[in-house]
Amino acid sequence: GQQLNQSPQSMFIQEGEDVSMNCTSSSIFNTWLWYKQDPGEGPVLLIALYKAGELTSNGRLTAQFGITRKDSFLNISASIPSDVGIYFCAGQGPNQGNLIFGKGTKLSVKP
Amino acid sequence: KAGVTQTPRYLIKTRGQQVTLSCSPISGHRSVSWYQQTPGQGLQFLFEYFSETQRNKGNFPGRFSGRQFSNSRSEMNVSTLELGDSALYLCASSKTGMNTGELFFGEGSRLTVL
Repeated sequence: GQQLNQSPQSMFIQEGEDVSMNCTSSSIFNTWLWYKQDPGEGPVLLIALYKAGELTSNGRLTAQFGITRKDSFLNISASIPSDVGIYFCAGQGPNQGNLIFGKGTKLSVKP
Repeated sequence: KAGVTQTPRYLIKTRGQQVTLSCSPISGHRSVSWYQQTPGQGLQFLFEYFSETQRNKGNFPGRFSGRQFSNSRSEMNVSTLELGDSALYLCASSKTGMNTGELFFGEGSRLTVL
């Protein structure tokens, strides 16, 4: 089945730094989404992208739907301690009913 | 507006037993999806129910089953438990289904199989 490659697996950064993570797929997707999961919680939707080339922001977060429809990235600017958590990309292909999730990027922020 | 509620939050079972997990979606949401989350495999899709019908199914053995009731509440059942079934089981609801991608997740039920 389809697989999503999410990188990096983990990041250790200083508060105030910018963060970038991405997801790639071997096949095209119609929808890209980014979720964040805090410890002991379920994932929460951050940004949804529905069109190739689309660039969407949500506060300090910015995500883009790659023009090839096979990738997406998420940027976090000026990181703060509450950005700590696991970030998941998710995608849905043209012939699929279900979302496929990447394995996550674990973000640690040092104050 | 109440979120997605999953019960129980934690449970411990032994191999060979069966388990039933419950999920109450957000009011007005008709789609309920179930995912298994493990450190090695990430989030793996189990199945989606919409208006009491299974609409999508992931690649899990028949020991994993589910159902949805007329009030949109959903249950999933795992029979003949194996050690590898230890995981966080997440339920997610949405108004129209997974095709919009906008899922609202519960906090999960953490199952440990001994």
